[in-house]
Amino acid sequence: GEDVEQSLFLSVREGDSSVINCTYTDSSSTYLYWYKQEPGAGLQLLTYIFSNMDMKQDQRLTVLLNKKDKHLSLRIADTQTGDSAIYFCAESRQNAGNMLTFGGGTRLMVKP
Amino acid sequence: GAVVSQHPSRVICKSGTSVKIECRSLDFQATTMFWYRQFPKQSLMLMATSNEGSKATYEQGVEKDKFLINHASLTLSTLTVTSAHPEDSSFYICSARMGGGVVFGPGTRLTVL
Repeated sequence: GEDVEQSLFLSVREGDSSVINCTYTDSSSTYLYWYKQEPGAGLQLLTYIFSNMDMKQDQRLTVLLNKKDKHLSLRIADTQTGDSAIYFCAESRQNAGNMLTFGGGTRLMVKP
Repeated sequence: GAVVSQHPSRVICKSGTSVKIECRSLDFQATTMFWYRQFPKQSLMLMATSNEGSKATYEQGVEKDKFLINHASLTLSTLTVTSAHPEDSSFYICSARMGGGVVFGPGTRLTVL
């Protein structure tokens, strides 16, 4: 069955880089996603990567995908206090109607 | 960009009443939408997949007679929580696939007194 796992908590200082990690088990994953959820708000899509890519960069965000190890990471450069939120990784498979399976979320706390 | 809206954003109702939550794709068509539920401090739980023009597909453990889903058009799916009880209080989020990404609605916070 499918399973997506993340560490629960990450604390960094403002200006440092943050790396949030995610592992998944389903080798047929088509897309992998990173979502941000701020307190009391819905989910915001940050970025996604197609499974045949190794890396995707978008401004301060860098996504790395190691398909062999089924490991996905999100690096946030120059982390700001406004980046404090819960970050969810998720995967979807074309043969499952693009249904998303989410990790448990990583709470990022950025200290001034 | 693609936007999904939900209405209402917050609703408080009495136990035993029914509540309808709307999910709309504002500038794109979505043949498939998804309904999730999120308990406090927990991840999202998929409740059902809503298919335009056909019956929804419910996940194991989700009561289809309690959580009625209707996907009447390519831009609207509704979730009706029937005979709501306090344990149904939660954050309900819908999503729709758009190109390579999945767009989420802002969520609806339901409180059942």
